[in-house]
Amino acid sequence: AQSVAQPEDQVNVAEGNPLTVKCTYSVSGNPYLFWYVQYPNRGLQFLLKYITGDNLVKGSYGFEAEFNKSQTSFHLKKPSALVSDSALYFCAVGSGTYKYIFGTGTRLKVLA
Amino acid sequence: DAGVTQSPTHLIKTRGQHVTLRCSPISGHKSVSWYQQVLGQGPQFIFQYYEKEERGRGNFPDRFSARQFPNYSSELNVNALLLGDSALYLCASSLAGDQPQHFGDGTRLSIL
Repeated sequence: AQSVAQPEDQVNVAEGNPLTVKCTYSVSGNPYLFWYVQYPNRGLQFLLKYITGDNLVKGSYGFEAEFNKSQTSFHLKKPSALVSDSALYFCAVGSGTYKYIFGTGTRLKVLA
Repeated sequence: DAGVTQSPTHLIKTRGQHVTLRCSPISGHKSVSWYQQVLGQGPQFIFQYYEKEERGRGNFPDRFSARQFPNYSSELNVNALLLGDSALYLCASSLAGDQPQHFGDGTRLSIL
């Protein structure tokens, strides 16, 4: 069965510092991995995906994520955080079965 | 280009009633998925439709049903509403099953 874990409910980081939001997954077969961001009272916005290829994936708004097969992780990163990055971040996994499994979300707070 | 649109944005119902939620996908997208997001949790997969056929179903009771129309728009129906059905219902569309899903802003359903 597919599963996703986001071990941190909240991550606090100072503006200008690098940020990391953690995600680990479990899936049979090759994973499709995604990161989404959700602002208050809005739907989810797509940030980036990994299906095959380079382990470092670059996405929207300066975000990137590193796929690590041995650790079954797909951590979201950004070199320099902005206050406007403060939001709820979701990791999701699929395996070509047309069904995404989402993590419980991590609230990112970037402090000015 | 118009994104995924959902209607209505808010809805208040009482226990035992029936509700229909509507979704229009991004133009050219043939796959539509429905998710339920309870406050403080990640989205939970309900259904996926592709080319008007059900491709996947999550762990929801038979009170939940959906369909997709020839123009690829979709409806989610919920019968015999319970208090626990109160949630944000999200619709997402994609070109195909392994492509990123693009979400609407959701319908917030409140059951009194």
